Amino acid sequence: AQSVTQLGSHVSVSEGALVLLRCNYSSSVPPYLFWYVQYPNQGLQLLLKYTTGATLVKGINGFEAEFKKSETSFHLTKPSAHMSDAAEYFCAVNKAQGAQKLVFGQGTRLTINP
Amino acid sequence: ETGVTQSPTHLIKTRGQQVTLRCSSQSGHNTVSWYQQALGQGPQFIFQYYREEENGRGNFPPRFSGLQFPNYSSELNVNALELDDSALYLCASSTGQLSGANVLTFGAGSRLTVL
Repeated sequence: AQSVTQLGSHVSVSEGALVLLRCNYSSSVPPYLFWYVQYPNQGLQLLLKYTTGATLVKGINGFEAEFKKSETSFHLTKPSAHMSDAAEYFCAVNKAQGAQKLVFGQGTRLTINP
Repeated sequence: ETGVTQSPTHLIKTRGQQVTLRCSSQSGHNTVSWYQQALGQGPQFIFQYYREEENGRGNFPPRFSGLQFPNYSSELNVNALELDDSALYLCASSTGQLSGANVLTFGAGSRLTVL
C-alpha cells in the first residue's frame, strides 16, 4: 500500500522568504511523485512530478522538489515566496503501472505574510 | 483547448436521495478519474474509467457508481446519500496509455452538501 504524510497542515512565511513544504511517502514499489496546488474554488493544478532520472525536479512558478529515496521524502521548495503562492498544496504518490490512482497527503495550507 | 468542466458546481441534497454529477473531459483525453475531497482533507480516489470501462476503484461502497460515454465524458452517481458524502467531488482527465506518470487535469469540482 502507498501513503503520503505532509508535515504541517499550515505553514506561514513572509513574502520573499524561503518556502519549504515537507512530504514523506511510503511505497512498496518505485513511486511516481507529484505536487499539486489548489487555489480557492479551483481544481488541482500540477506543479511538478518525479518519475525517473534526475532527482531534482523543477516545476512551474519557481517551485522545485528533490526526490530522496533514502529518506523517502519529496519536499517542495521555493527560494522566495510571493503573495500569489498562498494556496493549499498537496503531495501525491502513484504506482508506475496500472490505474492512475493518486494517493494524496492531507495538504498544507501556505500563508504568505506581507 | 478547453479544460475539464464539471456540473453542477454546487448542490444540496437530503439523506437518502440520489445525485448525479457530470464531467466533460479535456479535449483529446480518453481517461476520466473521480476523487472525493472532504473538508480539510486530501482528495481520495473513487474510480477511473478508460475507454468506457472501469479501470481501478478505491475504497468506496457500491452505491458510488459511474459511467463513461463514447465522447469520454463521465458521470458519477451516488445512491442513498449519507451525511458523510458531503464533499467536493473532483473529476480529472488524462490521455495516452495508462501509466502512473500521466498528468491528470482536474476540474474545479462539484460541491455536494447532504443535509
